[in-house]
Amino acid sequence: SQELEQSPQSLIVQEGKNLTINCTSSKTLYGLYWYKQKYGEGLIFLMMLQKGGEEKSHEKITAKLDEKKQQSSLHITASQPSHAGIYLCGADMGGSQGNLIFGKGTKLSVKP
Amino acid sequence: ETGVTQTPRHLVMGMTNKKSLKCEQHLGHNAMYWYKQSAKKPLELMFVYSLEERVENNSVPSRFSPECPNSSHLFLHLHTLQPEDSALYLCASSQDVRTQPQHFGDGTRLSIL
Repeated sequence: SQELEQSPQSLIVQEGKNLTINCTSSKTLYGLYWYKQKYGEGLIFLMMLQKGGEEKSHEKITAKLDEKKQQSSLHITASQPSHAGIYLCGADMGGSQGNLIFGKGTKLSVKP
Repeated sequence: ETGVTQTPRHLVMGMTNKKSLKCEQHLGHNAMYWYKQSAKKPLELMFVYSLEERVENNSVPSRFSPECPNSSHLFLHLHTLQPEDSALYLCASSQDVRTQPQHFGDGTRLSIL
């Protein structure tokens, strides 16, 4: 079963609009990691959240982890074409080897 | 530039061929990982190495054989692959197996004919 659900699967927004991507787990997470991937390329690390209620921002991207540490959101303000790509959340479920479980990703397109 | 370099970027091979994927990290990390990314599926962890010792093997078919000669290099040897093995293979590294985040290479796009 899919342990980490991302929504939406894909998103098309007009340049300048705000958007939110969600990542939900049925289990409490030890850590939540957001990555961005351009087609056919590797994952670029964006942000790491480890504490319940934690919020981090970098430029126009803000990520939050809820108090229960089961849900995270990634919010982009005033989207730009450079924000286009696939956003993946990865979660540390507490395995002994630090394995990350990933969601299927959200494909973001930004129309000029 | 993430500090993790994968070669080749693209590989096309027949089912009877033998080839190897290479990963090199310049970050001084102790842990390295192989992931498989198929269309419409989440990233699948294949292998984990810590200080050149394999610590995780997620039920990967034996036609995939990893090798970690030192903490900076990781190989994935391929032999007698199937069409369903066509995917993007990603290498990652982290300071240690319990330390995040993981830093990823750009991957090798593998196509099996």
